[in-house]
Amino acid sequence: DAMVIQNPRYQVTQFGKPVTLSCSQTLNHNVMYWYQQKSSQAPKLLFHYYDKDFNNEADTPDNFQSRRPNTSFCFLDIRSPGLGDAAMYLCATSRAPGYGYTFGSGTRLTVV
Amino acid sequence: QQQVKQSPQSLIVQKGGISIINCAYENTAFDYFPWYQQFPGKGPALLIAIRPDVSEKKEGRFTISFNKSAKQFSLHIMDSQPGDSATYFCAASLLAGYSTLTFGKGTMLLVSP
Repeated sequence: DAMVIQNPRYQVTQFGKPVTLSCSQTLNHNVMYWYQQKSSQAPKLLFHYYDKDFNNEADTPDNFQSRRPNTSFCFLDIRSPGLGDAAMYLCATSRAPGYGYTFGSGTRLTVV
Repeated sequence: QQQVKQSPQSLIVQKGGISIINCAYENTAFDYFPWYQQFPGKGPALLIAIRPDVSEKKEGRFTISFNKSAKQFSLHIMDSQPGDSATYFCAASLLAGYSTLTFGKGTMLLVSP
């Protein structure tokens, strides 16, 4: 089945230790998104790629970066995780921005 | 201008009842209004969506009602079941402007047996 796959499902990292979350898709969608979702809150968009064009939200901390080496893969790098970065990180894809998102199951990040 | 306001924050409905969740938007240019359903520990899943050229869309027990003049849209879940217990997010976007989705804050629905 075509889908959005996030690895790992759970990630524990130490305060300040760089961590990378990965997302892959078999939908061949042009757009890939990274969202941060904290408990009982709406998903918060960090950035998205429309093909190779990178779009950073104005309030996304510099600590967060992303890479999209090809259509299928996208990575979220957190350079120096703080306790406040503990959250569920969701990857999503769509054919065009704003339309018909397909979300992965997320990576639950714990910072210790 | 980009906000989507969702209410109520939480909702308890008895099995077989009707669940109603409301959203209001400010940007009159929005032209795509989806609803997402999220179970604990899972990513949101697209439930149903509507464009502003229709006032209602129904898929099974789920119906979106859309009021363009009032800038409001709502999700109705008929014959609510315990398996419908989840968090529901409304959202809006401007497809013609290639904008990303703006999400409401979510409604936690509990359907009691």
